[in-house]
Amino acid sequence: EAQVTQNPRYLITVTGKKLTVTCSQNMNHEYMSWYRQDPGLGLRQIYYSMNVEVTDKGDVPEGYKVSRKEKRNFPLILESPSPNQTSLYFCASSTGQGFTEAFFGQGTRLTVV
Amino acid sequence: AQSVTQLGSHVSVSEGALVLLRCNYSSSVPPYLFWYVQYPNQGLQLLLKYTTGATLVKGINGFEAEFKKSETSFHLTKPSAHMSDAAEYFCAVSSINFGNEKLTFGTGTRLTIIP
Repeated sequence: EAQVTQNPRYLITVTGKKLTVTCSQNMNHEYMSWYRQDPGLGLRQIYYSMNVEVTDKGDVPEGYKVSRKEKRNFPLILESPSPNQTSLYFCASSTGQGFTEAFFGQGTRLTVV
Repeated sequence: AQSVTQLGSHVSVSEGALVLLRCNYSSSVPPYLFWYVQYPNQGLQLLLKYTTGATLVKGINGFEAEFKKSETSFHLTKPSAHMSDAAEYFCAVSSINFGNEKLTFGTGTRLTIIP
């Protein structure tokens, strides 16, 4: 079954404690990206990756890092989380061949206190 | 720059009634348009998409949308609402900018079905 898997689904952490949200896809997709969803703002892109070792900033990259060492994995790293990063996060992947369907993970609800 | 406007953050319709969710977009290049649905505690699922060709697009679960270039609209409709349609719906426009297949989303419309 084609899927994008995120972990954890729910996370409560304290300000400043580094965390990583994992994302893995089983479709051999080249393109992966991270979005955050906030009430009244829809989804906004944080970072994206066009292939292994190729990453770049999206619209709201401040406070986040990513890496793409393997094609299937695209972890999101928060080095020093702050309360304004409390949000619902989604990982997505697509073929990278242009305007094909993006597959989304189940989401990670992060609360930073 | 691209943008999407969804009119109405909350829409309520009676079961069996017409569903109409509005979406207007702004794009400097020919747009590629999508509707996604989000059920509670789940990720986003593609309902339908418009890339090129026929402007009336049919999707899953009986939904369809019509691309109207003159009105810069891509409204989502379903003739008869079902209780299982209760969810949040997102309209999105896609662009490829130096390899970034970014989706720009609207703010979403929460659809409630009244029994």
